[in-house]
Amino acid sequence: DQQVKQNSPSLSVQEGRISILNCDYTNSMFDYFLWYKKYPAEGPTFLISISSIKDKNEDGRFTVFLNKSAKHLSLHIVPSQPGDSAVYFCAASQNTGNQFYFGTGTSLTVIP
Amino acid sequence: GAVVSQHPSWVICKSGTSVKIECRSLDFQATTMFWYRQFPKQSLMLMATSNEGSKATYEQGVEKDKFLINHASLTLSTLTVTSAHPEDSSFYICSAGRVQGGETQYFGPGTRLLVL
Repeated sequence: DQQVKQNSPSLSVQEGRISILNCDYTNSMFDYFLWYKKYPAEGPTFLISISSIKDKNEDGRFTVFLNKSAKHLSLHIVPSQPGDSAVYFCAASQNTGNQFYFGTGTSLTVIP
Repeated sequence: GAVVSQHPSWVICKSGTSVKIECRSLDFQATTMFWYRQFPKQSLMLMATSNEGSKATYEQGVEKDKFLINHASLTLSTLTVTSAHPEDSSFYICSAGRVQGGETQYFGPGTRLLVL
């Protein structure tokens, strides 16, 4: 069974607006979370991470929020740009660096 | 939901030996599977695209003679690390999609390889 879930397979957002990508997990022992971005025909590239000791991590236009009680994390992209159109995967691990569990991805389309 | 399994989940081997890692799609057929190498904490590097019934497509810088990929059936791809060395120690992950060219990818749980 999927321990990390991305329930929205796709999302469309207007350029300049906020994109919010969601991810839920079931294992409360997960303590490290990552977001990857994937363009067609390329491998996923690391985007941003957060450890369970934090509830927010920000890097430029990208912010990841972690709600441990809800076992939920989200990626906010503000402002969204057409170049952000890609598939975004979240991943989680227990004991940082060990086995990673991936969501199935959310395809983001930013409309110019 | 779709499940992708990997076997073994971890392996320790001596330098110079070969190690085979299996990636199986358990409840769907996958004409294409992907093999990645995960570096500590962060980056996921695409190594190759495994195509059922044809040769794998390797990414630049990945030695095809060292990392042998065989996509024997629509549910199984294998990665063989030949003559493994300590620098090959890593976490290897596969993924597969239900629909060829589809974006949804189901990732395997990964295989941790330690070469002594």
